[in-house]
Parts: sequence; structure tokens; C-alpha cells
Amino acid sequence: DVKVTQSSRYLVKRTGEKVFLECVQDMDHENMFWYRQDPGLGLRLIYFSYDVKMKEKGDIPEGYSVSREKKERFSLILESASTNQTSMYLCASSSRSDRGNGYTFGSGTRLTVV
Amino acid sequence: QQQVKQSPQSLIVQKGGISIINCAYENTAFDYFPWYQQFPGKGPALLIAIRPDVSEKKEGRFTISFNKSAKQFSLHIMDSQPGDSATYFCAASKRPGGNLIFGKGTKLSVKP
Repeated sequence: DVKVTQSSRYLVKRTGEKVFLECVQDMDHENMFWYRQDPGLGLRLIYFSYDVKMKEKGDIPEGYSVSREKKERFSLILESASTNQTSMYLCASSSRSDRGNGYTFGSGTRLTVV
Repeated sequence: QQQVKQSPQSLIVQKGGISIINCAYENTAFDYFPWYQQFPGKGPALLIAIRPDVSEKKEGRFTISFNKSAKQFSLHIMDSQPGDSATYFCAASKRPGGNLIFGKGTKLSVKP
């Protein structure tokens, strides 16, 4: 069963900490994405990557960075966590030659910053 | 600027009824319109998708209707079941696999 795996389901971090959220996919997908999901706001794109070592800013990149050293792994980094970054974080991947299969999402990481 | 507007925010339907969720988009470059279904504690999963060269696509009880001139598309769930209770997101992108712009979601509750 193909899947996207996010390393943690729940995380609690302190304000100012550096936080790493890890995402691994086993589908050999070229494209990977990080979204955050908040009630009433839907899914908002933070960063995306179309290839190894490539990254592009999404709609809300402030306070975040990413790393993609290997095709299967896409990491989201909160440089200095703040309470307004408390949210559900969703990783997704897709194929460059997509034939309508769309995104495959991970189950999400619920991050609480205290 | 919200590029994909989704309504209603929440919807309650009786078992066996029809659930209808509407979306409107602004960018005429969008060429791929999927719907995602999300159950609590899970990530969204692709439900059904449409390209603008067709006006309707049906998969089982789920139908997408697409109106290119009005820049609107909708999801119809026929014979709604309690197991359909979930949050539904419409989305749009310039190509399959590309960056998806999501609507804000509709929480559907189907009452037995």
C-alpha cells in the first residue's frame, strides 16, 4: 500500500524551539508539499518541491523553511516556534506525470506550541 | 485573495438525501478540479476529479458538475449515508499533480 508517512502524530514544543517535521513517501513521487490545516481556513500551502534540492515558497512561508536532500524525504522546519504555529501539518506528494491520481496525503502532525 | 471559494461551511443531510457542495474559482488557468474527503484523524484522500473538457463526471454515488463559463463546480452525493460524514475540500490546479489551491472545506454530517 503506497503511502506518505509523517514521523509524529502529535508534538508539543516550547516557544522559541527549533522544530523538525519529517515526511517520507514510498511512491517515487517527484513533487512534495507541506500544508497547514486550521479550522475555517482550510489547507494552506507552506512550501513545495518539484525535485531534490529544489524548494519553492507557497502562500504562507513566513517562519518556516524546508529541506529536500533525498527524493523520498521532505522536511519542514520551524526555525523558532511560536504559538501561532500551533496547527495540523499535512505532507503530500504527487507524480510529475500524474494521470489523475492526485495528491497522496500523510495522516498529519498536530503540533502544539506552548 | 481566495482563489477557490467553497460553500456551505457545514451541511446536515438526512440519510438517503442528496448532499450538494459548491465551489467557485477565479483563475481561468486552472485545468484540474479534484475533490478530497477527510475523516477525523486522517489526511485528505482524493475522491473524484474533473478536467474542464467535460461538464459532468460520475463515480458511484458521487458526481462532479462543472460549469466552465460560470467558473463553478459542485459535488453531489446521492443517497447520502452516515459513512459519508466527513469534511470535503474542493481544489484547483493548473495541471494534475501541480500545486493545489484548496477551498476552506465543508463539514458534512449525515443523520441516520
